[in-house]
Formats: sequence, C-alpha cells, structure tokens
Amino acid sequence: EEQLVQSGAEVKKPGESLKISCKGSGYSFSSYWIGWVRQMSGKGLEWMGMVYPGDSDTRYSPSFQGQVTISADKSVSTAYLQWSSLEASDTAMYYCARRIVGRTWGFDIWGQGTMVTVSS
Amino acid sequence: QSALTQPRSVSGSPGQSVTISCTGTTSDVGGYNFVSWYQQHPGKAPRLMIYDVTKRPSGVPDRFSGSKSGNTASLTISGLQAEDEADYYCCSYAGSYTFVVFGGGTKLTVL
Repeated sequence: EEQLVQSGAEVKKPGESLKISCKGSGYSFSSYWIGWVRQMSGKGLEWMGMVYPGDSDTRYSPSFQGQVTISADKSVSTAYLQWSSLEASDTAMYYCARRIVGRTWGFDIWGQGTMVTVSS
Repeated sequence: QSALTQPRSVSGSPGQSVTISCTGTTSDVGGYNFVSWYQQHPGKAPRLMIYDVTKRPSGVPDRFSGSKSGNTASLTISGLQAEDEADYYCCSYAGSYTFVVFGGGTKLTVL
C-alpha cells in the first residue's frame, strides 16, 4: 500500500526549533515530489512548498520562503519540515502530500497530519 | 484572504446535484489546466477528488466531475449522498513563482 506516515504531535515553546517528518512507503519515494500544507484551526489549506527526494530540489511558496526549511533524505524515504525558531502563529496541523508524477498537478496521497502547538 | 474564491457553503438534498465554483485569475485557474479538488471530512486529511480540471483518480465515484470556463473552475457532485457532506477545496498551479494556490474552502451540507 502506498502511504505517507507523519511523525507525532508536538508541543513546543516559542523560540524553540522543530523538525517533523513524513515517511513514504509502498512506492518509489525518490520519484515523486512531496509537498507540505498548513491548516490552521478552523481554516483552509495553505501550500508551503515541496521537495523532490531524488535530488533534493526544493520549491517554496513566497509566503513561507525563509520561514521554514523543507528537505528530504531518500535513503530513508523521508521528507522533513523544520523551523529554527517557532512562533505561536505556527500552531497548526501540517500535512505532507505526494504530487502525482508527470506534467500534471494534484496531490494524490496524504499523510495523516502532524499537529504542532506552540505555546509558552 | 485566499488566492482562489469559493462560496463559503452550499447545500443540497440527497439525490440532487450541487456545483461548487472556484474563481481565480489568468495567472492560475485561467492560465493552466491544472485545477484539482480535495474533499476533507472533519478531523481527516484531504482526499484528491479531481485533478487536471476533469480527471478522476481511481476509487473516486463518477458522481464527481470537474470543469473549467475561463478563470472559473467548478466541481459538480451529482446524486448527493450523506457521506458527501464535507469541506471541499479547489487548488490550482499558479506558475513557477507561486506554484500552488488553494481556495478558501466550501462546506457542503447534505440536507
């Protein structure tokens, strides 16, 4: 079964760093872009950026450029989303999603989500 | 404010059809045939329902269909069922700077 499994919920303080993960299985992880999507409580979906595990090529939404770092390690079939200094406004659910391969745009497999809570 | 505009809510009775609109610009919806739609039930991850405007992934019922005219894309759900009650988000490729934009989401209520 093709799936993405994300790391568990996190509770952090403002100013702390954090790295959450998204592990793929059941398919050739290196060959598909992995995107990250933020969803704040009661709000809509926001695209943050994506990484191609095959060569670690990364693209960011202008809204999130410089705010987070997206990376991948194809040797362990895992993509990452990290913050160097969290803020309360980073509190949200974060989803990873696989982009359909080819000249097409759609995210066909989603992780279960990682809830990040930032509070003093 | 989201880049793509969707109605906040729509509703329909079982068996009826509903259409959800998604309005963008020539820089996103109107400029590319790369509109996708996602269904999200409360507390669950989104699910891809339509991609590339009209394509349906395997496993998605053919009651779901997509279309586009100019800068507006639409998702039509025919033969409404209770399990269709969810939030629906449109999404479009928006070029090599912005890449991807989402709509604000539409809550579908099955009466």
